[in-house]
Amino acid sequence: DAGVIQSPRHEVTEMGQEVTLRCKPISGHDYLFWYRQTMMRGLELLIYFNNNVPIDDSGMPEDRFSAKMPNASFSTLKIQPSEPRDSAVYFCASSWRGYNEQFFGPGTRLTVL
Amino acid sequence: QKEVEQNSGPLSVPEGAIASLNCTYSDRGSQSFFWYRQYSGKSPELIMSIYSNGDKEDGRFTAQLNKASQYVSLLIRDSQPSDSATYLCAVGFNTNAGKSTFGDGTTLTVKP
Repeated sequence: DAGVIQSPRHEVTEMGQEVTLRCKPISGHDYLFWYRQTMMRGLELLIYFNNNVPIDDSGMPEDRFSAKMPNASFSTLKIQPSEPRDSAVYFCASSWRGYNEQFFGPGTRLTVL
Repeated sequence: QKEVEQNSGPLSVPEGAIASLNCTYSDRGSQSFFWYRQYSGKSPELIMSIYSNGDKEDGRFTAQLNKASQYVSLLIRDSQPSDSATYLCAVGFNTNAGKSTFGDGTTLTVKP
């Protein structure tokens, strides 16, 4: 079975542009998580979904960030407008309820110039 | 106080030695505990999970949990250079909530 799939793997954009990151969780998993990782702040949970419903978005830094999960096999994280301080690696992870063991995708390395 | 704290690194051990990584957590209601390994430039990978007090062994890895002391550790026996990575401790608040809180990680270097 394929693991968590993320796209793109690398994204370079200019300040002010819209950025959309995509994630396909492992089939059958009912939790999906979006994280951001930087050297300064470590691994931060941005938002997570259960059965496609957002459960906790308290980690979303500001209104420029939004996330959706229209169905069980797809989620997006959008940043509009992007800023240089958004540069980070963004991970998507999924898990199956009852175990909390999360499986991470390869990440998207975002650079905002 | 952070919810999950790990011993500050970096940690350096010689090849063949035992590496000990420690983690404490603040929420007494925590029920699930995980260790993830993250190689430089890669994503975190689950290596151990533990839910009950005591030890859990998997190959060269042993996770130890003491809920009374709110402490979880990871021992790596016969450390190899390939074990050099950052190790993240994660704590879940109940087995059905899905969410885990991660520590900042401890970077381990195993020197040949």
